[in-house]
Amino acid sequence: QKEVEQNSGPLSVPEGAIASLNCTYSDRGSQSFFWYRQYSGKSPELIMFIYSNGDKEDGRFTAQLNKASQYVSLLIRDSQPSDSATYLCAVTQAGTALIFGKGTTLSVSS
Amino acid sequence: DTAVSQTPKYLVTQMGNDKSIKCEQNLGHDTMYWYKQDSKKFLKIMFSYNNKELIINETVPNRFSPKSPDKAHLNLHINSLELGDSAVYFCASSRERVSYNEQFFGPGTRLTVL
Repeated sequence: QKEVEQNSGPLSVPEGAIASLNCTYSDRGSQSFFWYRQYSGKSPELIMFIYSNGDKEDGRFTAQLNKASQYVSLLIRDSQPSDSATYLCAVTQAGTALIFGKGTTLSVSS
Repeated sequence: DTAVSQTPKYLVTQMGNDKSIKCEQNLGHDTMYWYKQDSKKFLKIMFSYNNKELIINETVPNRFSPKSPDKAHLNLHINSLELGDSAVYFCASSRERVSYNEQFFGPGTRLTVL
């Protein structure tokens, strides 16, 4: 059974702080790793994807991947109240659909 | 211009009824998906079609039947609805089957079975 694990939270951070979201996955054959953000009552939207070990930065977001440890994380710098949402980690192999974690709820207080 | 659209947005129905949800994408993608998000917000794949061909069929009751009349459309028909079918159903699409392709999600259809 392929699994993706995330802490459900809520993760609470003050405005301007760094939010760190973590995810582990069970299938070593996983090739690509995605972070989706989902606001309440809305559909998931892609923030970042990564498929090589190391860091990938895009604006205030940094995704980190460690395939040996089967671990992927998302850092959000200078967190804003508008970042408050559920963050979904997802993994996939070639030709398969996304396997999602249950999501981490982030709350950024102003 | 809506990339992935679903109709209806809300669906309230009685147990035992049959209902359909429609999905259309105007992105020119080859692959489409149906996901189910339960009350605990867990998002799980149900089906995937690539160029009208079924390629993923997870352990889903056979009361659920997807149909893809062309690669821009993927519909979901549900027979004999049960209380446990209440959830939000998301349609998604991606350019190809390869693993690194972003999936674009529709707005979701909230199904409530009474």
